[in-house]
Amino acid sequence: IAGITQAPTSQILAAGRRMTLRCTQDMRHNAMYWYRQDLGLGLRLIHYSNTAGTTGKGEVPDGYSVSRANTDDFPLTLASAVPSQTSVYFCASSDSLAGGYNEQFFGPGTRLTVL
Amino acid sequence: DAKTTQPNSMESNEEEPVHLPCNHSTISGTDYIHWYRQLPSQGPEYVIHGLTSNVNNRMASLAIAEDRKSSTLILHRATLRDAAVYYCILRAVGRGAQKLVFGQGTRLTINP
Repeated sequence: IAGITQAPTSQILAAGRRMTLRCTQDMRHNAMYWYRQDLGLGLRLIHYSNTAGTTGKGEVPDGYSVSRANTDDFPLTLASAVPSQTSVYFCASSDSLAGGYNEQFFGPGTRLTVL
Repeated sequence: DAKTTQPNSMESNEEEPVHLPCNHSTISGTDYIHWYRQLPSQGPEYVIHGLTSNVNNRMASLAIAEDRKSSTLILHRATLRDAAVYYCILRAVGRGAQKLVFGQGTRLTINP
C-alpha cells in the first residue's frame, strides 16, 4: 500500500507559468487536503475536499484551484505562478466519515520554486 | 480555532525521557488535543490525541491537565529518530474534513 503519493518531487517554474501538483491516495479516504509550508513555519491549509465532487477554501486559497473528480485524486493547480508561491506543498487525506477522531495522513511533499 | 503555545525549541539526550509542553488556555469543551510531528524533509505524521484523560500509545504518552488548559507530550526514551518538529493542535471532533491549524511547533533536538 503506497498511502499518499505526490508528483513531482520538486519543480522549478518560471513566473507566469501554469502548474499542476498531483496527489493520489489509495486508502479510499473521503477527505483530502492541500497545505503549504514556508521555510521555518508551520503548515497552512490551502484547499480541502470533504468528498468527491466537493471542495472548500482553506486559510490561503488565493492563486490556487483544486478539483476532486474522484475519491483518489486531488490535484492542485497554480494558474499563473508567482514567486510568493515558492514553498513545499503537502497533500493529506483522512477518513472523516467515520466520525470521532480522524487522523490525517500526509504525502512526502512537493518542493516548488517559482523564479 | 483555539490557539496553542509551545516553546520554539527543546533539547534532550538519547534514551532519556522528553516532556514537550503545550498551553491552550482557550480550549473549548469539544476540542481534542492532537499532536503531530514532522521529521526532517518529510510530511507531518500523527503521534497521539486525547480529550480529557491521559493517553498512551506505542509512540508516546499524552498527559492532560485537569482543567485542560495545558498538556504534555511524553517521549519515554528518546532516540535520534525522534528529532523533529512537534505540533500541538486543537480541533473539535466531528464528521467532515478536519482542518488542522499548525503553529510553529517545538523543534526537538536529541543529542547522542
